Amino acid sequence: AQTVTQSQPEMSVQEAETVTLSCTYDTSESDYYLFWYKQPPSRQMILVIRQEAYKQQNATENRFSVNFQKAAKSFSLKISDSQLGDAAMYFCAYRSTYNTDKLIFGTGTRLQVFP
Amino acid sequence: EAQVTQNPRYLITVTGKKLTVTCSQNMNHEYMSWYRQDPGLGLRQIYYSMNVEVTDKGDVPEGYKVSRKEKRNFPLILESPSPNQTSLYFCASRISGGNSYEQYFGPGTRLTVT
Repeated sequence: AQTVTQSQPEMSVQEAETVTLSCTYDTSESDYYLFWYKQPPSRQMILVIRQEAYKQQNATENRFSVNFQKAAKSFSLKISDSQLGDAAMYFCAYRSTYNTDKLIFGTGTRLQVFP
Repeated sequence: EAQVTQNPRYLITVTGKKLTVTCSQNMNHEYMSWYRQDPGLGLRQIYYSMNVEVTDKGDVPEGYKVSRKEKRNFPLILESPSPNQTSLYFCASRISGGNSYEQYFGPGTRLTVT
């Protein structure tokens, strides 16, 4: 069975600085999707960024980028120029291409942003 | 506006009193799921449905029931709630096929069972 591990329960960053959130996963599959979701205090789950495993190029969405290391089964999220609105819980998630509905989530990393 | 709605948003109930949390989506999505979120555990899938009248268990189905009689609705039923079902619940939906892999989440339902 696939698992997702987020080893940093909490992280903090100063406004305008860069922070990296870690995520590792375990799977025997070769094709899958990886996601980062943001959950602000409103509790809404917001998709931040996604990566297809067959793509070598790291995904980027504005200030958010990932470092996808397929061999190492690592999928970290880098937030550049951090803003106060980035403060939230961040979840890493895995989805198989075979069971195309279930997302397997990590336990989350709470990010604090200080002015 | 494309959205997934859940009702109620907050619910406090007592052990054993049957309850239903409704979920509705207006995007004509085939896939729908229920997740529960608990501190230190992330989100875990309870049940999912691939289309009308097609449902299956996720990772933590004990104590829950679902039905999918219409494409847009996917209610979660707790026939005899217990305190260990106190949690934050999310409904999600997604279109099937192609590269449409984004799941759309509802706003969440905070359930407390005393």
